Amino acid sequence: AQSVTQLGSHVSVSEGALVLLRCNYSSSVPPYLFWYVQYPNQGLQLLLKYTSAATLVKGINGFEAEFKKSETSFHLTKPSAHMSDAAEYFCAVSDTGNTGKLIFGQGTTLQVKP
Amino acid sequence: GAGVSQSPSNKVTEKGKDVELRCDPISGHTALYWYRQSLGQGLEFLIYFQGNSAPDKSGLPSDRFSAERTGGSVSTLTIQRTQQEDSAVYLCASSRTGGNTEAFFGQGTRLTVV
Repeated sequence: AQSVTQLGSHVSVSEGALVLLRCNYSSSVPPYLFWYVQYPNQGLQLLLKYTSAATLVKGINGFEAEFKKSETSFHLTKPSAHMSDAAEYFCAVSDTGNTGKLIFGQGTTLQVKP
Repeated sequence: GAGVSQSPSNKVTEKGKDVELRCDPISGHTALYWYRQSLGQGLEFLIYFQGNSAPDKSGLPSDRFSAERTGGSVSTLTIQRTQQEDSAVYLCASSRTGGNTEAFFGQGTRLTVV
């Protein structure tokens, strides 16, 4: 069965510092992987997705993620954090049935300090 | 509309009462998903509709939960005899064709059972 593990429920960085949010997955088939962001009292917004076309995926707002099969990882990075990046981030894997059902990690709350 | 619309945005109900949550997907999207977001369980898949096919109800936590999608558009999630553990944010998402096309999320309905 598919599963996703996000390491660190809370991450705190200073403004301008590197953002690294960790995600490891388990999948019986080549996975489709996603990162979503959720701002307070809002729904989820897609940041980026991996669908096997390229291992380094660039998304919105300067975020990117690298798919590493050998490490079963899909970590999210951003070179320089902005205050507006403070939110909750979810890593997700698509189920094997090609339905688009998503299995989410537990989420990581990103705090950005001035 | 421009995005996925959910109503009400907030609902407070007494234990034992029935509630209905509404989702209006993006026009033309054939796939519709319901998820539940709660503190203890994170984001969980509930049910998936694709066109006129029978829905995938594999995520519904009990027979008190049901959902329908009329005319391939608006969906209603019904919770009967609500319990305090049903308190959560219920998120609806739609995608153009299902599979791994991007899912767009509504802002959710925050349900509080008192």
